[in-house]
Amino acid sequence: DTGVSQNPRHKITKRGQNVTFRCDPISEHNRLYWYRQTLGQGPEFLTYFQNEAQLEKSRLLSDRFSAERPKGSFSTLEIQRTEQGDSAMYLCASSSTDISGGGSSTDTQYFGPGTRLTVL
Amino acid sequence: DQQVKQNSPSLSVQEGRISILNCDYTNSMFDYFLWYKKYPAEGPTFLISISSIKDKNEDGRFTVFLNKSAKHLSLHIVPSQPGDSAVYFCAANPRNSGNTPLVFGKGTRLSVIA
Repeated sequence: DTGVSQNPRHKITKRGQNVTFRCDPISEHNRLYWYRQTLGQGPEFLTYFQNEAQLEKSRLLSDRFSAERPKGSFSTLEIQRTEQGDSAMYLCASSSTDISGGGSSTDTQYFGPGTRLTVL
Repeated sequence: DQQVKQNSPSLSVQEGRISILNCDYTNSMFDYFLWYKKYPAEGPTFLISISSIKDKNEDGRFTVFLNKSAKHLSLHIVPSQPGDSAVYFCAANPRNSGNTPLVFGKGTRLSVIA
């Protein structure tokens, strides 16, 4: 299977601990996105990368959150000093984007299975 | 303020009948729209999309209609099957401006009753 993969699938942690999630996109996809979904809501955008460059961050991404995509392949999302309000499903998506001709996105975002975080 | 709205939290349909899921948007910059299906404990699965230059796109049992003047789109599933029972999300982005993060609605839970 060559879809988007995420690890771990579930994470339970105590308030104040740091956690790190990993996302492996579809190979050769140059864009990678992180979203967060809470109960009863649709996914909300957090940040995205084009290759290794982080192009945009949502206001939802507080300074306790950091994301990297060091070699333009997999990405990690770290949450420091977790709070109960961080409990959510963290979703990763990737797309293959034609960046010629003005930078418009041409392809669909495909999602991984998500990492469910529970902060006690 | 919600830029993408799915005003029906749930919908029940009998197997074999048509399911119609609705979505409204407020941002006139949105020019690309997608529908995703989500099962519990899984990530959203892409179903079908439509660009603002079209008013209809069809893929098998799934058809999406776009009414730009009304800022409204709908997903038709016909015939509905029990395996279609899931949460359906409408999403949009202003892709031609180069802004690619998706804006999602809150979802509609579809139950197809055998």
